[in-house]
Amino acid sequence: DADVTQTPRNRITKTGKRIMLECSQTKGHDRMYWYRQDPGLGLRLIYYSFDVKDINKGEISDGYSVSRQAQAKFSLSLESAIPNQTALYFCATSDSGVGKETQYFGPGTRLLVL
Amino acid sequence: AQSVTQLGSHVSVSEGALVLLRCNYSSSVPPYLFWYVQYPNQGLQLLLKYTTGATLVKGINGFEAEFKKSETSFHLTKPSAHMSDAAEYFCAVSDSGGYQKVTFGTGTKLQVIP
Repeated sequence: DADVTQTPRNRITKTGKRIMLECSQTKGHDRMYWYRQDPGLGLRLIYYSFDVKDINKGEISDGYSVSRQAQAKFSLSLESAIPNQTALYFCATSDSGVGKETQYFGPGTRLLVL
Repeated sequence: AQSVTQLGSHVSVSEGALVLLRCNYSSSVPPYLFWYVQYPNQGLQLLLKYTTGATLVKGINGFEAEFKKSETSFHLTKPSAHMSDAAEYFCAVSDSGGYQKVTFGTGTKLQVIP
């Protein structure tokens, strides 16, 4: 089984709808991240969480919210989806501490907002 | 603040030829540097990383990269390209402190021509 899973893998929604993307991990890592990937722009950080009680905005958090339900679960919500939120979304995890900086990515969720 | 510049959004090489993907970074503190690879319809996975110590870093699948502080570069190379190397490659930088925020480059798509 994959260490980092994302559901759904693909989603089509309409402008104004609320949707939630979910991420679960079995790696036992404290740190979790949400990124979006757009062609030519690379990955941009939306939110990150260093533990269950610590949630921080990334560089493009407007229009998004997150919930860290447990160490293993980190959800991303679009309260009112808009077309420019169409993108590929990745969840990632990492351990804490020097030498443990590697991030482990889920397979991605492809979101289309009509 | 930290940033990453990847020169060339698309690179084409012939099978068996040298692969060279360029990455330059800026960082106000000693950096940690990473190369990730993304195969079609998959998440990113770590190829190699530099944290401290030896400046020539070897990774998976025959790739290596050299940290050159004077040139603020971390170019990725492989002596002989295989068809299976076709993917998108991302350079990333994080600071060496406890925060570990990672900044990704915009990616380079590698095409391998038979």
